[in-house]
Amino acid sequence: ETGVTQTPRHLVMGMTNKKSLKCEQHLGHNAMYWYKQSAKKPLELMFVYSLEERVENNSVPSRFSPECPNSSHLFLHLHTLQPEDSALYLCASSQEPGLAGRGETQYFGPGTRLLVL
Amino acid sequence: KQEVTQIPAALSVPEGENLVLNCSFTDSAIYNLQWFRQDPGKGLTSLLLIQSSQREQTSGRLNASLDKSSGRSTLYIAASQPGDSATYLCAAFSGGYNKLIFGAGTRLAVHP
Repeated sequence: ETGVTQTPRHLVMGMTNKKSLKCEQHLGHNAMYWYKQSAKKPLELMFVYSLEERVENNSVPSRFSPECPNSSHLFLHLHTLQPEDSALYLCASSQEPGLAGRGETQYFGPGTRLLVL
Repeated sequence: KQEVTQIPAALSVPEGENLVLNCSFTDSAIYNLQWFRQDPGKGLTSLLLIQSSQREQTSGRLNASLDKSSGRSTLYIAASQPGDSATYLCAAFSGGYNKLIFGAGTRLAVHP
C-alpha cells in the first residue's frame, strides 16, 4: 500500500454518461496528480494540483474536469467521453509539487481501469 | 521536448540472471531520473530516484546509474527472482510542476 487509494477500480461507461473518479491520499502531501496510461502510449500527465490549486493542465480536453476540494482528495469528472479515452487513470501525490527543481518522489494509487463504450 | 525511450520493450529470463534495463532521454537538462515498477493492474511503485548531481543509487539488489552527458540511465537487477516480474518504467524530470516524462516501459518476466 502506497497510501494513495482510488475508486472505483474498474468503470464501464457509455459515451453519454457522467461519472467521477476519486483519489484520496493519506500521506499529508501537498501536491496531487492525474495521469493517463493507454495501451499504446507512455504514461501521460494530465493535471497537477498544488495546495488545492490547479497548476498544470497538460492540454487535456474539457470532457475531463478535475476537482481538488482539499489537499487529501482529488476527483476527475468525466462526461461525453470517447472510446479512445479508455485507459488506466492513475492518481499520484508528492510532498511538494517539485518547483524547487529537485523533483519529488511521487506515490501512485492502483488506478481506475476505464472502458468507454 | 523531452522524449524517453526504454529498451528492450520486453525481456524473459531464467531465475538468477543479472539484468540490465536501459533508458535514454533526449534532453540532458534533467533534474532527476526515476525508476518505477508496475505490477499488472496496479499503480506504480517508486524504486530509485537519481538526482542530476549523482551518478548512481542502490537499493538492495537494484542499482541505477545516470549519465546525463550521454542521455542514458540503466537499471541493474542482480540475481533476478520470479517476484521481480513486472513492468519497469523510467521517468525524467526536467523542471516545472514535477512533470515527469515517462518511457513506455520494459516488461520483465523471470521464470523459475
